[in-house]
Amino acid sequence: QVQLVQSGGGVVQPGRSLTLSCSASGFTFSNYAMHWVRQAPGKGLEWVALISTDGNNKYYADSVNGRFTVSRDNSKNTLSLQMNSLSADDTAVYFCAKDPLDCVGDCYTAYFDYWGQGTLVTVSS
Amino acid sequence: EVVMMQSPATLSVSAGERVTLSCRASQSVSTILAWYQQKPGQAPRLLIYGASTRATGVPARFSGSGSGTEFTLTISSLQSEDFAVYYCQQYNKWPLTFGQGTRLEIK
Repeated sequence: QVQLVQSGGGVVQPGRSLTLSCSASGFTFSNYAMHWVRQAPGKGLEWVALISTDGNNKYYADSVNGRFTVSRDNSKNTLSLQMNSLSADDTAVYFCAKDPLDCVGDCYTAYFDYWGQGTLVTVSS
Repeated sequence: EVVMMQSPATLSVSAGERVTLSCRASQSVSTILAWYQQKPGQAPRLLIYGASTRATGVPARFSGSGSGTEFTLTISSLQSEDFAVYYCQQYNKWPLTFGQGTRLEIK
């Protein structure tokens, strides 16, 4: 069965960096675009980033563009999110999520059929 | 940006009742809309995609309808496990956007 197991997260000071990871199993990882979605405490969901199946195409929300970098290692079935210049507004639970479309290249449907368990990032001094 | 607006914010209902949740888009998204269920401390779960197609394993009491700017999620007979927060999400235009959620509470 599809599993997305997240790691990383924790407390980080404003202006510092943090990297989140998401380990995938139960499906052919290299055939699916992947996303990051976040949820501030007590708030709704916000899409953060999308990476294509081959990692060559990346899309970001305006709120993180230029500060966050999404990447993937298809040989290790791993998705990552490097977060730089963090601020209090980035405090949230971060979820990795799988796109449903089985394809190769810059292809996706852009909704989310499986989610990781989430990991909390707290930006505080 | 397509703004998604859900109503009501909170709905108090009893088990066994039929409930309809609304989601409105600030511009047409055709039928490119998904619904998710989220319980406390858990990740969201996909319920509906394409506005009306149930995801794998989703009970038949959940149904979605609508197109353009007006969408509904209907639960035909509420079960105890359905009390949760429900989100709609459009994936027709960038950036992907979610509604603010509707919380179903036990009356």
